[in-house]
Amino acid sequence: ETGVTQTPRHLVMGMTNKKSLKCEQHLGHNAMYWYKQSAKKPLELMFVYSLEERVENNSVPSRFSPECPNSSHLFLHLHTLQPEDSALYLCASSPGTGRAPYEQYFGPGTRLTVT
Amino acid sequence: GESVGLHLPTLSVQEGDNSIINCAYSNSASDYFIWYKQESGKGPQFIIDIRSNMDKRQGQRVTVLLNKTVKHLSLQIAATQPGDSAVYFCAEKAYGQNFVFGPGTRLSVLP
Repeated sequence: ETGVTQTPRHLVMGMTNKKSLKCEQHLGHNAMYWYKQSAKKPLELMFVYSLEERVENNSVPSRFSPECPNSSHLFLHLHTLQPEDSALYLCASSPGTGRAPYEQYFGPGTRLTVT
Repeated sequence: GESVGLHLPTLSVQEGDNSIINCAYSNSASDYFIWYKQESGKGPQFIIDIRSNMDKRQGQRVTVLLNKTVKHLSLQIAATQPGDSAVYFCAEKAYGQNFVFGPGTRLSVLP
């Protein structure tokens, strides 16, 4: 498998549930990202990991908890979400964070609906 | 991974015509720019990039123009095809900072 994969592609969860989103990149990159894509808003950066270390948390509520066990895998653990958290969650990877090439490669996303 | 922006600006073009999609960026310190294409059911896909020391860059059927004076970026698609129908958005980056993404434009190719 090539590129960036995400599972599940669709997720419906209640506000009291706990679920996890998974991302895997097969590109040998060192940096991974979580983005949120909502209606009427541009892509919002949530978290950045470089060499498995979190280097940025963009004021994301604690009900979102990322985990990066190695440079190929990234998780987003979800608990007690709110309906306004319903969105498309995109994972991306790039060769590094502070040096060129900068372009990020995105996965297909997980469509999350919180009921 | 479709863009869910129900109220995105829309550009409708006839198949075979050229398309021009515009983007205004905000940070005068941004020195690197990317155009992404997002088709329905997919994540954003890299199209072309440009650095601030250039004002034009060409790819296969696409050209990006950068006007730093007015902080404006455009993407030109030559001989637009049905497969070009998607949401297009720009991203800007300043040194030491993360990408900032634009809201996107939906391109609709008419037969």
